[in-house]
Amino acid sequence: QKEVEQNSGPLSVPEGAIASLNCTYSDRGSQSFFWYRQYSGKSPELIMSIYSNGDKEDGRFTAQLNKASQYVSLLIRDSQPSDSATYLCAAGAGSYQLTFGKGTKLSVIP
Amino acid sequence: GAVVSQHPSWVICKSGTSVKIECRSLDFQATTMFWYRQFPKQSLMLMATSNEGSKATYEQGVEKDKFLINHASLTLSTLTVTSAHPEDSSFYICSARLLRGDSNQPQHFGDGTRLSIL
Repeated sequence: QKEVEQNSGPLSVPEGAIASLNCTYSDRGSQSFFWYRQYSGKSPELIMSIYSNGDKEDGRFTAQLNKASQYVSLLIRDSQPSDSATYLCAAGAGSYQLTFGKGTKLSVIP
Repeated sequence: GAVVSQHPSWVICKSGTSVKIECRSLDFQATTMFWYRQFPKQSLMLMATSNEGSKATYEQGVEKDKFLINHASLTLSTLTVTSAHPEDSSFYICSARLLRGDSNQPQHFGDGTRLSIL
């Protein structure tokens, strides 16, 4: 059974701080990893993808991947209240289907 | 790029009605589309995987006769909730993956359909 685990939160951080979201996956064959943001009442929106070990930066977002530890993280720098949402981690293992975590709820406090 | 359109965005109807939801990939071809359901404050639940030109694959516990899926082209999949009842009220979301040789592609989600059965 392929699983993606996330802490459900809520994770509360003050405005301007770094938010750190973590995810572990069970399938060692996973090759692609994605972070989605979902606002309440809305559908998920892709914000980051990462395929190789190390860091990938895009604006205020940095995705980190460690395949040996089966660990993926998302850092959000200079967190804003508009970043308050549920963040979904997903892993793909070469098939058409992605395995999603249950999501971590982030609250950025003004 | 990679825009997925879902229609309608909101439906209210009487118990016993059948409701059809459309999912279109607007600027790319998708051999595979996915249908999810999400209840308030809960996580995404995959209902079925829709493959162009073949029968959909349903997740355990999802009634295939209740939730009819048709994927007639590389850009359109439909979900029909037949004889809907109040317990079918939920947020239904489709997603699609880009058709390419490699499989390391993300899923792109539609805006979702909020279904309310009275």
